[in-house]
Amino acid sequence: EDQVTQSPEALRLQEGESSSLNCSYTVSGLRGLFWYRQDPGKGPEFLFTLYSAGEEKEKERLKATLTKKESFLHITAPKPEDSATYLCAVQRNSGYALNFGKGTSLLVTP
Amino acid sequence: EPEVTQTPSHQVTQMGQEVILRCVPISNHLYFYWYRQILGQKVEFLVSFYNNEISEKSEIFDDQFSVERPDGSNFTLKIRSTKLEDSAMYFCASSASGSRNEQFFGPGTRLTVL
Repeated sequence: EDQVTQSPEALRLQEGESSSLNCSYTVSGLRGLFWYRQDPGKGPEFLFTLYSAGEEKEKERLKATLTKKESFLHITAPKPEDSATYLCAVQRNSGYALNFGKGTSLLVTP
Repeated sequence: EPEVTQTPSHQVTQMGQEVILRCVPISNHLYFYWYRQILGQKVEFLVSFYNNEISEKSEIFDDQFSVERPDGSNFTLKIRSTKLEDSAMYFCASSASGSRNEQFFGPGTRLTVL
């Protein structure tokens, strides 16, 4: 059975303090690994899709990387507006369903 | 920028009643999905829909649930005989294609079953 484990569950950073969020996964035939941002009471907002080990993608202060067992979301010099829950999800080769992890709740304080 | 819309934003119903949640996917997208998120828990896949039929469903999506694309723009989730444990946020998503695609989510419908 597929497993997606995100760590830490919660992370508090000072503004400007860079860090990384981890997503470990076990999946039978990975098609893609997705990162989303979710604000309270809102729907997930798409950030990145990674398809193969070694792939990296960047968007503003965020950079996502992928290995065969895990993905990292690096946040460089975060700002308070980066505060949100970050979700990782995997998609199998055999279908289109996204299997989500529980997320990492990030709080960035001024 | 195109976006997925959902109505209503909040639905309150009595246990045993039927509810229909509505979604308007992004206009040129062909694949449609429903997910749910029980408060404090992870987002869970329910069903995917393509070419007017279900392409994939989870164990959660049993006979209590059904989906329909009644016209060229709407995509609905019907929940029959609602239970207390159906209380959750229900998200609709759409994607342009099945593989190598981003799924874009709507803002959700909060369903409260009393």
